[in-house]
Amino acid sequence: SQQGEEDPQALSIQEGENATMNCSYKTSINNLQWYRQNSGRGLVHLILIRSNEREKHSGRLRVTLDTSKKSSSLLITASRAADTASYFCATDERQAGTALIFGKGTTLSVSS
Amino acid sequence: GAGVSQSPRYKVAKRGQDVALRCDPISGHVSLFWYQQALGQGPEFLTYFQNEAQLDKSGLPSDRFFAERPEGSVSTLKIQRTQQEDSAVYLCASSLGVSGTAFFGQGTRLTVV
Repeated sequence: SQQGEEDPQALSIQEGENATMNCSYKTSINNLQWYRQNSGRGLVHLILIRSNEREKHSGRLRVTLDTSKKSSSLLITASRAADTASYFCATDERQAGTALIFGKGTTLSVSS
Repeated sequence: GAGVSQSPRYKVAKRGQDVALRCDPISGHVSLFWYQQALGQGPEFLTYFQNEAQLDKSGLPSDRFFAERPEGSVSTLKIQRTQQEDSAVYLCASSLGVSGTAFFGQGTRLTVV
């Protein structure tokens, strides 16, 4: 089963533009994480935001979390061609303490 | 080790053959997870270990799938009598605890022909 749903499914932008991806989930969570996956490679952790946090920054990444709406967004500023990848949000359910449950991902394409 | 290591990287199996996929987690990581990822999809949870205990195997698609972590370190995912629908990338991840950053291996791409 998949908990998160990313939106949009695919996004194409030019270098230098900002990219925004959204994630919605269904249950109460301990934290929400964003991962990146380059084609044919494993997932790389980008950022973790806890359920009591509303916004977090890491370099060119900005993540927001709205637990009332059960949604999160990932903003990549000043995008580069190297940002081309699939991006997934992942959540863990507060009560069950289970493993990370991933969404279907957003495929980002940044052209130079 | 420096990261999560999975072997083999690629495996081609004939339908009906048994396969075993290995995962070496980061040393000291208590939690270990297995995921299955079909082409163009997100990782689907299969099973989770805390040390040697398999705490959640709700994601295993059938009784042909079996995972173990006998000494709380290396884990093996075994698929018996493989079928074409088992073709996917199998990802292993480890973390210090249940809730926190998970570090992923490069995956094993299984193709059943």
